[in-house]
Amino acid sequence: SQTIHQWPATLVQPVGSPLSLECTVEGTSNPNLYWYRQAAGRGLQLLFYSVGIGQISSEVPQNLSASRPQDRQFILSSKKLLLSDSGFYLCAWRSRGLLEAFFGQGTRLTVV
Amino acid sequence: AQTVTQSQPEMSVQEAETVTLSCTYDTSENNYYLFWYKQPPSRQMILVIRQEAYKQQNATENRFSVNFQKAAKSFSLKISDSQLGDTAMYFCAFMENTGNQFYFGTGTSLTVIP
Repeated sequence: SQTIHQWPATLVQPVGSPLSLECTVEGTSNPNLYWYRQAAGRGLQLLFYSVGIGQISSEVPQNLSASRPQDRQFILSSKKLLLSDSGFYLCAWRSRGLLEAFFGQGTRLTVV
Repeated sequence: AQTVTQSQPEMSVQEAETVTLSCTYDTSENNYYLFWYKQPPSRQMILVIRQEAYKQQNATENRFSVNFQKAAKSFSLKISDSQLGDTAMYFCAFMENTGNQFYFGTGTSLTVIP
């Protein structure tokens, strides 16, 4: 069966520090991968999606970047965090043969 | 980007009663997919129900059903016989035909009152 791992679960980082959130998927190959941010009152905002290794599409301009160095690995990064980067970040995957997306447990990021 | 709108930030319902959550979306595509996801306090996203736009019949999953109005671009969720475990944030989601982009609304926080 397929599983998705996202870590860390919680993170407190100072303003200006770098960020790296990692997401890996097991049990499937060549999935579509997604990064979402959930902020209060704003629902789930699609940040990035990837349809293959090295292929990243950005939905909104921001202080963040994403990379997909391996088929089932998706990384969300920032060189310098802003206070506005605080939020709950969710990674998701979807197989080409399925309609629904499956989500990780999320990372609560607090920038102080 | 596609737009998904949920106009009800918060709702409440008495246990065993029925509640309907609203969702509208904006797209120029003819083929697409719609979903309702549930996010309980654990924050784990759980698929509740899905609808293919090419299907006229409304989807049903046990106590959950949808009212899909394609011309009106409306996709509401009806929860019958509400249970305490239904208390959660509910998100409406849209996926375009290629399946590359998956968009969510702002969510509706549902509280089931005992």
